[in-house]
Order: sequence, then structure tokens, then C-alpha cells
Amino acid sequence: KAGVTQTPRYLIKTRGQQVTLSCSPISGHRSVSWYQQTPGQGLQFLFEYFSETQRNKGNFPGRFSGRQFSNSRSEMNVSTLELGDSALYLCASSFWREGPRADTQYFGPGTRLTVL
Amino acid sequence: GENVEQHPSTLSVQEGDSAVIKCTYSDSASNYFPWYKQELGKRPQLIIDIRSNVGEKKDQRIAVTLNKTAKHFSLHITETQPEDSAVYFCAASWDAGGTSYGKLTFGQGTILTVHP
Repeated sequence: KAGVTQTPRYLIKTRGQQVTLSCSPISGHRSVSWYQQTPGQGLQFLFEYFSETQRNKGNFPGRFSGRQFSNSRSEMNVSTLELGDSALYLCASSFWREGPRADTQYFGPGTRLTVL
Repeated sequence: GENVEQHPSTLSVQEGDSAVIKCTYSDSASNYFPWYKQELGKRPQLIIDIRSNVGEKKDQRIAVTLNKTAKHFSLHITETQPEDSAVYFCAASWDAGGTSYGKLTFGQGTILTVHP
């Protein structure tokens, strides 16, 4: 099976702009989680989508949003970019069996966002 | 919310030696503990995981131990090789749905360097 893919791999934006990142999960995986990775804060959970619904959200401002499509592909959007949004944005997909059970999360290569 | 502490932040060993990385977690409800390896410029990759109904799990040179009473778990790498050099992250999650959906709480990471 093909792994998790993310596009674009690199982005350079200026403050105040907005950006959309895309994530295609492993075929058959229905859950997509997003993480922000920075040297100072490490890996932090942004949100998770399952069957086109956001089921969970981390402690990030409302400028960070996302959605999931019927084919499980997910996008995240950051509006009004700030310098501190510069980071590696990773998505991870998992199968999610019936009932609550944490499944293995498989990560994509990430999108490196630089805000100038 | 859950908090995961990881030690040491850096670890330097000679090829052939063993390496041990330790993590403690705060939420006694956590019951799923994966370990990820991230090489420079690459995506995090799962190397081993353990659930709370198991005290130890081994996969070739890698083993993880879990002490639920003390709320800590450890990664053990034996016979280290230069290709083991990477950043290692521990994480915790729990199978209760709700605020746990798709959320891994990560430790701050350990930079492991294996000298030939």
C-alpha cells in the first residue's frame, strides 16, 4: 500500500496570508490526525477527523482549521499567518477499528511551512 | 490533560552498547504507548508500541517495558548500530474516545547518537 502523502512539501508565506495543506491517508484508513512540530514545542496535536467529522481538537487558536472529504483525504488551513506558525506540519492516518481503540498512526512526510 | 516527560534529551553511546530512554506520563487512564523514530528530514516511523495489558514487548534489538503503577515506560535498544542514530519520541494515548480520539501526546524527544 502507498504510504501517507502530503502536499506541498515546502511552502513559504508572508505574515497575514493564509495557507492550505493537504493529506492523503493510506487506502482504507478513515482517521486523519494533524500535528505541528517545532524545535521548541515538539510534536503537538492539532485535530483529528473521522468520516468527515472533527472528533477532537488540540489547544490551537481558531485560525487553525481543517476538513475531511468523503475519500478520507484531509486538508488543514491556517489563516492570518504569524511568524510563530513556521513549523513542520505532519498528518497521520490510522484505520480505527470499531469502538474506541487507539490504532497505529502512520505519518506523512510533512509540509515545511516558513512564514516570513 | 495528559503530559509526557522524556529523558534524557540527548544520549551518546558507542556502537554495540545498549541505549535506554525513559518516559513518564501523568494520566493513569492512558493505555497505549508507541515509540517513534525520526531521522533527520524524515517522517516519524513507529518502531514499537505497547498496550497497558502487557508489561513488556520485544522486537529483535528493541524492547519496551511498561510500569503502570509508576506510570512510566522505557525503550531499550541493544547492540546499537550507527543507523540507530535518530530522534526517538515516546507517546501516550487512551482508548476511551471523546477527547482521546486520534490524539497522541508526545514526549520532547531524545537525540540518540551511536558512534562507530
